[in-house]
Amino acid sequence: SQTIHQWPATLVQPVGSPLSLECTVEGTSNPNLYWYRQAAGRGLQLLFYSVGIGQISSEVPQNLSASRPQDRQFILSSKKLLLSDSGFYLCAWSPGGNTEAFFGQGTRLTVV
Amino acid sequence: AQTVTQSQPEMSVQEAETVTLSCTYDTSENNYYLFWYKQPPSRQMILVIRQEAYKQQNATENRFSVNFQKAAKSFSLKISDSQLGDTAMYFCAFTGSGTYKYIFGTGTRLKVLA
Repeated sequence: SQTIHQWPATLVQPVGSPLSLECTVEGTSNPNLYWYRQAAGRGLQLLFYSVGIGQISSEVPQNLSASRPQDRQFILSSKKLLLSDSGFYLCAWSPGGNTEAFFGQGTRLTVV
Repeated sequence: AQTVTQSQPEMSVQEAETVTLSCTYDTSENNYYLFWYKQPPSRQMILVIRQEAYKQQNATENRFSVNFQKAAKSFSLKISDSQLGDTAMYFCAFTGSGTYKYIFGTGTRLKVLA
């Protein structure tokens, strides 16, 4: 069966520090991968998605970037965090073909 | 661009009663899929139910059912015999056949009262 792992679960980082959140999927190949941010009252905002290694689509201009160095690995990064980057970040995958997306357990990021 | 709108930020229902959560969407596509996700306090996103736009029959999953009105672009979720464990944030989501993206609404926070 397929599983998705996302870490860390919580993170407190100072303003101006770098960020790296990692997400991996097991039990499938060539998944579509997604990074979402959840803010109160704003639902889930799609940040990045990837349909293959090295293919990244950005939805929202911001202080973040994403990379997909391996087929089942998706990384969310920032060189210098801002206070406004605080939030709950969710990684998700789908096999494509308009099936549902499956989510990781999320990372609560607090920038102080 | 596709959009998903949930106009009820918060709702409450008595245990064992029925509640309906509303969702509307906008798209120019004819072939798409709609979903309802549940996010309990643990914040794990759990799929509740899905509906293919080409199917006229409304999807059901035990106590959960949808009222899919394609012409009105409406996709409401009905929870019957509400249980305390149904207390959660509920998100409506859309994905089209011509896109890889999943578009979510802003969510409805449902509280089931004992």
